[in-house]
Amino acid sequence: SQQGEEDPQALSIQEGENATMNCSYKTSINNLQWYRQNSGRGLVHLILIRSNEREKHSGRLRVTLDTSKKSSSLLITASRAADTASYFCATGSRDDKIIFGKGTRLHILP
Amino acid sequence: GAVVSQHPSWVICKSGTSVKIECRSLDFQATTMFWYRQFPKQSLMLMATSNEGSKATYEQGVEKDKFLINHASLTLSTLTVTSAHPEDSSFYICSARATGTDLYGYTFGSGTRLTVV
Repeated sequence: SQQGEEDPQALSIQEGENATMNCSYKTSINNLQWYRQNSGRGLVHLILIRSNEREKHSGRLRVTLDTSKKSSSLLITASRAADTASYFCATGSRDDKIIFGKGTRLHILP
Repeated sequence: GAVVSQHPSWVICKSGTSVKIECRSLDFQATTMFWYRQFPKQSLMLMATSNEGSKATYEQGVEKDKFLINHASLTLSTLTVTSAHPEDSSFYICSARATGTDLYGYTFGSGTRLTVV
């Protein structure tokens, strides 16, 4: 099962620009997490935001959560070539499961 | 930090054979582990929840007789793909949550790429 959609499905930007990815989900959640996955590899946990939080920062990452709209956004500032990857949001709920969104493929152009 | 080791990282097998994938928590105990499958350029789909000492809980549409899960100890869960076919070729990833810690502390293995020929 999957929670919902990520928007956009693919994004190409110039190095140095900011990248924004959005995620929508369907059910009630305890938390929302963002992960990065380089091609064909495992997941890297980026950031977790709890359902009672609205915004969280970690380095160049900024995550927002709007539970009324069941949506979240991930902002990567001052993008670098190394940020090229797929990004997934994932929701955590009371049953302990983490359900992933469809992901956004981000490509940073030199 | 919490580390999950997954083996093998890749495997090629003949159609009709079975393949076992191991997911091991190295420095923590995990009563619950999760198995995901990921097809190329797609997202991770939750297959099943592995519970230590009891039967696994499978997601809708996942054949429990084809994907056998065993969670015999607090540090090891295995996924066996039985009678594998080319359509089972995929990337399989496990995750685990440390017991007695923050509910949100999940760790993922590095994944296993299965190719059935």
